[in-house]
Parts: sequence; C-alpha cells; structure tokens
Amino acid sequence: AQTVTQSQPEMSVQEAETVTLSCTYDTSESDYYLFWYKQPPSRQMILVIRQEAYKQQNATENRFSVNFQKAAKSFSLKISDSQLGDAAMYFCALSTNAGKSTFGDGTTLTVKP
Amino acid sequence: EAGVVQSPRYKIIEKKQPVAFWCNPISGHNTLYWYLQNLGQGPELLIRYENEEAVDDSQLPKDRFSAERLKGVDSTLKIQPAELGDSAVYLCASSLFRGSSEQFFGPGTRLTVL
Repeated sequence: AQTVTQSQPEMSVQEAETVTLSCTYDTSESDYYLFWYKQPPSRQMILVIRQEAYKQQNATENRFSVNFQKAAKSFSLKISDSQLGDAAMYFCALSTNAGKSTFGDGTTLTVKP
Repeated sequence: EAGVVQSPRYKIIEKKQPVAFWCNPISGHNTLYWYLQNLGQGPELLIRYENEEAVDDSQLPKDRFSAERLKGVDSTLKIQPAELGDSAVYLCASSLFRGSSEQFFGPGTRLTVL
C-alpha cells in the first residue's frame, strides 16, 4: 500500500518568518515523484514544488524548498520569508511511474501579520 | 491557456436522486483524474483515465458511481442514487503524463445531499 502522512494538521507562522511542514510517505516503488500542492481557501489547488526521487539534490522554487530524505522517506517543505498569501492548506502527494497518486490529509497554514 | 473546467460548481440534491459532474481537462492532457475531497482531508482518487481508458477505478463505488471519458477529452462522473455520505467536493484534475507530471486541478463541484 502507498501512504502519505502529514502529522501536523495545523501550523502557524509570523509574517516574514520561516516554517517547515512535515511529510512522510511509504511506497514499494523505487521510482516515484513527490509534490507539494497549495489549496487556498475557496480556490483551486496549485503546485508548489516537485521532486524526483532519483535526484539527490533538493528542489527549490524561490521561497519554497524541500528537505528530501529518501532513506527516511521524509519530504518536508520549508517556506522562507512567509507572506500573508501563503496562508492555505498544503498537501503532500506521491505519484509513481505507473500513475498511482496518493495525497496526505493536509496541513492548514496560518500566517500572522 | 484555459485551465481545467468543471461544472456545476455547486449542486444540492435530495438523497436517492441522480447527479452528474462534468470536467473538461487542459487541451492535450492525456491523463484525467476524478477525486473526492471531504472537508479537512486530502483528495482521494476515484478513477484515473489514460486517454479514454479507465486504468485505475479500484476506489470507485461501482454500485452507484459511474464515469466515462468519451473520445479521450472531457469526462462525466455520475452518482445514482446519491446518499447522504456522498456530500463532498468532487475534484477533476489532468496531467500531461501520468506519474511525473504536475496535476492541474479544476475548481471542484461541491455536492450537498439532503
């Protein structure tokens, strides 16, 4: 079975500070892809960042970066210089080459001004 | 470029009534997904299409749910009859390829079954 676990239902961060969202996963596949998606309130889910499991280098996208620990099956998201617009629900997701997709239950991020 | 289009955005029905949701994916995207999202939870896959073929429908409750993707473009998800527990948001997503590609999501259809 393929699972994705987000152990933090809610997180909060002060504007301009840094926050890290946790995600662990389990899969029997050796080739897979990991994603963080953002779902703002009443808005569509969009991709934040993507990581190929075969790449050791951690992905970065501007203020967003990941800490990918393949052996530990951990894939955390770091948001630097948090902005009010970062407030949303964040989902960690895993997809295999066969196309099987699994999402975590999400972490609601609150950004305090 | 137009995104994933879903309709209707909201639907309220009585239990035991039928309901249908429509999705038009991004042009050229071969893979189409239907997800169910309960409040405060992550999307759960109902069915995945590769072109017009349903390649993963293991989580689709086939006694009441059906789906089709004629001509490998737009898709319809149907529930008949609806039950109270079907109240949720139904998300459609598409991607260029399975697995490695980013999924693009539609706005979803919020279903309320009374």
